[in-house]
Parts: sequence; C-alpha cells; structure tokens
Amino acid sequence: GNSVTQMEGPVTLSEEAFLTINCTYTATGYPSLFWYVQYPGEGLQLLLKATKADDKGSNKGFEATYRKETTSFHLEKGSVQVSDSAVYFCALSPGGGNKLTFGTGTQLKVEL
Amino acid sequence: EAQVTQNPRYLITVTGKKLTVTCSQNMNHEYMSWYRQDPGLGLRQIYYSMNVEVTDKGDVPEGYKVSRKEKRNFPLILESPSPNQTSLYFCASSFGTDHRYGYTFGSGTRLTVV
Repeated sequence: GNSVTQMEGPVTLSEEAFLTINCTYTATGYPSLFWYVQYPGEGLQLLLKATKADDKGSNKGFEATYRKETTSFHLEKGSVQVSDSAVYFCALSPGGGNKLTFGTGTQLKVEL
Repeated sequence: EAQVTQNPRYLITVTGKKLTVTCSQNMNHEYMSWYRQDPGLGLRQIYYSMNVEVTDKGDVPEGYKVSRKEKRNFPLILESPSPNQTSLYFCASSFGTDHRYGYTFGSGTRLTVV
C-alpha cells in the first residue's frame, strides 16, 4: 500500500538557519505529493504541492522537488523565521485516487 | 470566505454517551473526509464521502458513523464513545476526487472521552 515516512522531530533551529525536512514515500503509479503545515491550535493548511516527477512546488520561501528516482519530496527553506514554528506533514495522493496518506509529522521550533 | 467549519472545538464526554461532531463546507466540494490525529501516528482517515449519499470506510472506521444527506454537511457520529476515541478530529473537503488540488481542513475538534 501507500505510505509516507518523515524524519523524526522535533527539529530546533536558530532564526535564519537552513531547513531540510526529509520525506520519502512508497506508492504505486504516479502519486501527487504535498506538504501541509499545522500551526498551534489550527487545522492543516496546504503549503505546496507537486503533481509529477521533477516538479518543484514552492510557497512562502519553502520548496520541495518531486524526485521519482529516490521517491523523495524533501522540504527546504533557506532562512527560517520564528513564525515558521509549526508541525509539517508530508502527504501523497495516488494518481486519480480519493485519499491523502500522511506522514507522522515533523515539529519545527525556530528560536531567536 | 471559503472554509470548513467544525463544531464543537472542544468536547468532554463520558463513555457510552452518543455524540455528533458537525462539519460544513461552503465551497461546493464533492469530496469530504474525516481524520483523527494522534501523537506519533499522524493523521488517519476514518470515513470519506465522494458525493451526496456516497460514503465509504477509511483506515480506522470502527466505532464511527457518518452521513452525507446534503453536499455541504458531513457529520461524524460516535454512537457509544470509548476512551480510545479520545483524539483530535479534522474534517476536510476537496474539489472532486482528484486531490492534486489538496484538501481544505477545518480547525479541529478535540474530543476527550472519560
């Protein structure tokens, strides 16, 4: 079946540091890939997405590239801010499918 | 404003007392789904609906019921809640069954069953 594996958290960084959160997936066919962000006390929000191999999703300074050869979709940001502190979820949707499969989430804490 | 609205935000109840968590969306989305979020387990799908009167089980449906009588509403029913259903619940919706566009999530319902 489909599955998503994320790096364990929490991840603690200083402001302006470089961020990488690793995500790998297992899926049949050609899934779409997503990163969602959950701020404290809120629901999940779509951060970025990529629908086919080699696509790069980007939003708010975050980027992730759909790598089919390594089945990965790592999230990166060049310079994090305190306001980026949240839980980040990697997810996939099978091609033409009707369900999102989520990873377990990675908590990011950014300190001054 | 396009949104998914869940009520209540917080609920404490006793074992065996039936409860309903409501979910409503104003985006005319066909697809709606319920998830529960537990530490170390991420989000797991409970039930989903592809349109009015069409519902199906997700990964963890035991102990839950849903209905989809109108396109905008998708209530989650716990007929006899138990402590292992203590969790954070999210309703989500999407345009069609092609999730390339992602989901819109509600703000969550934190349920405690004592």
